[in-house]
Amino acid sequence: QKEVEQNSGPLSVPEGAIASLNCTYSDRGSQSFFWYRQYSGKSPELIMFIYSNGDKEDGRFTAQLNKASQYVSLLIRDSQPSDSATYLCAASGNTPLVFGKGTRLSVIA
Amino acid sequence: GAGVSQTPSNKVTEKGKYVELRCDPISGHTALYWYRQSLGQGPEFLIYFQGTGAADDSGLPNDRFFAVRPEGSVSTLKIQRTERGDSAVYLCASSPTSGVQETQYFGPGTRLLVL
Repeated sequence: QKEVEQNSGPLSVPEGAIASLNCTYSDRGSQSFFWYRQYSGKSPELIMFIYSNGDKEDGRFTAQLNKASQYVSLLIRDSQPSDSATYLCAASGNTPLVFGKGTRLSVIA
Repeated sequence: GAGVSQTPSNKVTEKGKYVELRCDPISGHTALYWYRQSLGQGPEFLIYFQGTGAADDSGLPNDRFFAVRPEGSVSTLKIQRTERGDSAVYLCASSPTSGVQETQYFGPGTRLLVL
């Protein structure tokens, strides 16, 4: 069973702080990793993707991948109340996307 | 350009009835995916199409679920003899191709409630 694990949260951070979201995956054949943001009652929207070990930065977001540890993370700098949402981690390899259950982030003003 | 669209946005039906859910992908996207999302869970893969053919239907829970994409564009997910446990949000996504590095773009979903 290919799984993606995330802490369901809620993760509460004060406005302006760094939010750190973590994800582990079981399938070593996974090659691509995606972070989606999902507001309540809405569909997932892509935040970032990462394929290679290391860090990838895009604005306030940094994705980190460590294939040896089967670990993916998403850092959100200068967190804003509008970042409050559920963040879904997904892995893709020889099988279609497998999603985690998501981590609920709450940014407190 | 237009994103993925799904109709209806909400569907209420009675146990045992048949339902069809429609997905219109982004123009030019050859890959189309169906997921089901229950409350508090991540999307769960059901089936995906590359063109007109179902490339992987391993996520369909049983033979009451079926999907088609006859012309390689619009897809319909069909559920026979609905059960209360089928209640969920059904999400459709599309991507330019089915490559592992392709980003999937999601539609707004159809919220299905089986009474």
